[in-house]
Amino acid sequence: NAGVTQTPKFRILKIGQSMTLQCTQDMNHNYMYWYRQDPGMGLKLIYYSVGAGITDKGEVPNGYNVSRSTTEDFPLRLELAAPSQTSVYFCASSYYKLFFGSGTQLSVL
Amino acid sequence: GESVGLHLPTLSVQEGDNSIINCAYSNSASDYFIWYKQESGKGPQFIIDIRSNMDKRQGQRVTVLLNKTVKHLSLQIAATQPGDSAVYFCAEKEETSYDKVIFGPGTSLSVIP
Repeated sequence: NAGVTQTPKFRILKIGQSMTLQCTQDMNHNYMYWYRQDPGMGLKLIYYSVGAGITDKGEVPNGYNVSRSTTEDFPLRLELAAPSQTSVYFCASSYYKLFFGSGTQLSVL
Repeated sequence: GESVGLHLPTLSVQEGDNSIINCAYSNSASDYFIWYKQESGKGPQFIIDIRSNMDKRQGQRVTVLLNKTVKHLSLQIAATQPGDSAVYFCAEKEETSYDKVIFGPGTSLSVIP
């Protein structure tokens, strides 16, 4: 099993650009999450999903959107990138324990 | 609101010594607690967990202690090794139907050879 796979690993965006961070898992987990981690800080929950077709906001959802059309995939969309969204983004899935992807390092300049 | 936090942001220990990383939580309704290890450039990895009906759980070289009276959680690492150098996060699971996990700010552990 690959676990949780995130793409891309690195990305640089200009202010106002949009992009989608991809996340897929092959463990058939219902629960999936997006976190962001700023330098030297802990993880903040952006959005989560308890199953296909169901999503909800976490602690810091502003500026992001998500969708969950399948159990496997949980993409995170940035519509109008801002410098404040410069961060490392982690996708995770769980049955009970969280399994994390390797992260996407995003810089908005 | 609810929060999970750590007492010490950084910790340096001599190789071979025992390490203790502390964590405070404020939501008395939390029923599940987890410790994660994050190495540089990687995602967090599960270390050990404990449910609120327990006060101690042991793994391989790690022990988690839970004191519900003072809402305190600790991670003990025995015979700390250079490979233990990482940032350690405690996390709590909210007692809701949607399995949301909230992380504390993390403690950076440095092992001195």
